[in-house]
Amino acid sequence: QKEVEQNSGPLSVPEGAIASLNCTYSDRVSQSFFWYRQYSGKSPELIMSIYSNGDKEDGRFTAQLNKASQYVSLLIRDSQPSDSATYLCAVKGSSGDKLTFGTGTRLAVRP
Amino acid sequence: SAVISQKPSRDICQRGTSLTIQCQVDSQVTMMFWYRQQPGQSLTLIATANQGSEATYESGFVIDKFPISRPNLTFSTLTVSNMSPEDSSIYLCSVSGRATLGEQFFGPGTRLTVL
Repeated sequence: QKEVEQNSGPLSVPEGAIASLNCTYSDRVSQSFFWYRQYSGKSPELIMSIYSNGDKEDGRFTAQLNKASQYVSLLIRDSQPSDSATYLCAVKGSSGDKLTFGTGTRLAVRP
Repeated sequence: SAVISQKPSRDICQRGTSLTIQCQVDSQVTMMFWYRQQPGQSLTLIATANQGSEATYESGFVIDKFPISRPNLTFSTLTVSNMSPEDSSIYLCSVSGRATLGEQFFGPGTRLTVL
């Protein structure tokens, strides 16, 4: 079992729709969870971090964490073509400082 | 967040040679990391660069192949030694100023092609 799993996609949504990106992790005592956006040819950019169960909203982005189900998601409301990118889920485990990344989900927003 | 720069941004190298990649941060940071991202793949951590001591390498990566230096809290280098075409990849440094929370911020990356 991979430590951090994501559906590779591509996930295609029409402009203005809600995009839902999902991630599961295997380390039950993981502490911190992150979503990165990576445009083609660019480095990853941190867009959301979440540390406790529930929802965290920042503009059009909402991160949701359910530690009991070992599940973290990212919702993008009013999706725009500029949101088309690969979204990487990253998890900080119970020990050490390193992050483990999922393989990423490619999102395509159709105009 | 900190401003991170990497040099070179890209390079084309011959097999058997070595390349040193520099990572510079505009403020002191607690942690610095080196990752590799092969085409179409996710990020793989190579090592954690420790200030004043030897780097901590992940499984599958060794110091002889990827020597790392971190002489102070704003600068680190990664050398890719005795390169082969399989080393063609993007190499990224990242920094974290708040180790307990784990947020990492990435430099722009170095695109390496080995012929």
